[in-house]
Amino acid sequence: AQSVTQLGSHVSVSEGALVLLRCNYSSSVPPYLFWYVQYPNQGLQLLLKYTTGATLVKGINGFEAEFKKSETSFHLTKPSAHMSDAAEYFCAVTRSSGTYKYIFGTGTRLKVLA
Amino acid sequence: DVKVTQSSRYLVKRTGEKVFLECVQDMDHENMFWYRQDPGLGLRLIYFSYDVKMKEKGDIPEGYSVSREKKERFSLILESASTNQTSMYLCASTPGLGIYEQYFGPGTRLTVT
Repeated sequence: AQSVTQLGSHVSVSEGALVLLRCNYSSSVPPYLFWYVQYPNQGLQLLLKYTTGATLVKGINGFEAEFKKSETSFHLTKPSAHMSDAAEYFCAVTRSSGTYKYIFGTGTRLKVLA
Repeated sequence: DVKVTQSSRYLVKRTGEKVFLECVQDMDHENMFWYRQDPGLGLRLIYFSYDVKMKEKGDIPEGYSVSREKKERFSLILESASTNQTSMYLCASTPGLGIYEQYFGPGTRLTVT
């Protein structure tokens, strides 16, 4: 079975500081990994995804994530936080075949301090 | 741009009422999903549909049913609403599985009193 763990339900950073949101996954087969962002009272929007190939994935709004198989991690980073980054972030995992299930983490709420 | 719309952003219903949540996507996607989102629990899959009239139960189907009579429309039905079904409901669609990301609607915040 696949699972996702997001460490830290709430993370606060100062404007201009590094953003690091952690995601660890469990999967017996090669995973496909996703990061989504949810702004208040909105649905989820894709930030980036890893399927195969390059392990460093760049997404929208200056975010990127690195797939590390040895650490079973897919942490999300942004070099410099902006006030508009305040939102909830979800990591999700699925696999290439045999399932319709996308397994979501419990989310990390990012607060950006002025 | 893919657009997924949901019939209501906010809904207040009474215990025992039958509730219909509608979702429409405009990109001819095969697959549609209904999730429930609760604080600290993330997104939990209620039902999945891979074609018209075809459905699979998700992780928490109890108390819910679904209908997909047309490819673009996927409805979630609460046969007899209960207070523990107060939640945010999210609809999503994808053109395929695995490699494809999901496209989400804005959500319906349902309150059952």
